[in-house]
Amino acid sequence: GAVVSQHPSWVICKSGTSVKIECRSLDFQATTMFWYRQFPKQSLMLMATSNEGSKATYEQGVEKDKFLINHASLTLSTLTVTSAHPEDSSFYICSARKGRDTEAFFGQGTRLTVV
Amino acid sequence: AQRVTQPEKLLSVFKGAPVELKCNYSYSGSPELFWYVQYSRQRLQLLLRHISRESIKGFTADLNKGETSFHLKKPFAQEEDSAMYYCALNLTTLTGNQFYFGTGTSLTVIP
Repeated sequence: GAVVSQHPSWVICKSGTSVKIECRSLDFQATTMFWYRQFPKQSLMLMATSNEGSKATYEQGVEKDKFLINHASLTLSTLTVTSAHPEDSSFYICSARKGRDTEAFFGQGTRLTVV
Repeated sequence: AQRVTQPEKLLSVFKGAPVELKCNYSYSGSPELFWYVQYSRQRLQLLLRHISRESIKGFTADLNKGETSFHLKKPFAQEEDSAMYYCALNLTTLTGNQFYFGTGTSLTVIP
């Protein structure tokens, strides 16, 4: 099967600092990766879609300068939450797609708490 | 605008009873639709997708373009089916590929 791993699983940071979340496809090459945010008892909200080697496509309402996405290789995408504030506290989930196959495999998620 | 709608947040059925989780989508083109499931304390995983027209764990889903629906059905619910179910729509646009999820339905199968 295809495995997507996120690191860290949880992180606590102080307001004003930046946090980087990694998303790795362990046993396949992911040409496309997706980043989602999930609020408690709510659905996944697509934040951005990143294709390897190109700029991420952000959904409407998502601040590009606040949520920096880098997809530098076919197995790694990173989401950096810059100048984090308590309202950024959430569950962030990534998923990756193999090539042209449209099935998406999900990471286990990262719980971010900003204090 | 919400592209995928799951009208039921919570659904409870008795073991052995039929279950149907509703999903409606908003897209004028040819949709690619999926059902994802999240069991307690586990990550999201694919349950089935409409293009494969398969039955997974007894679940089936038929795409109805006229009603823009992709309801998930199972004739006899089992306790292990208790989970969160998400309907998802994959769109291919000029800028790439995006997945949109519904708000999810929490299914509880009562023993």
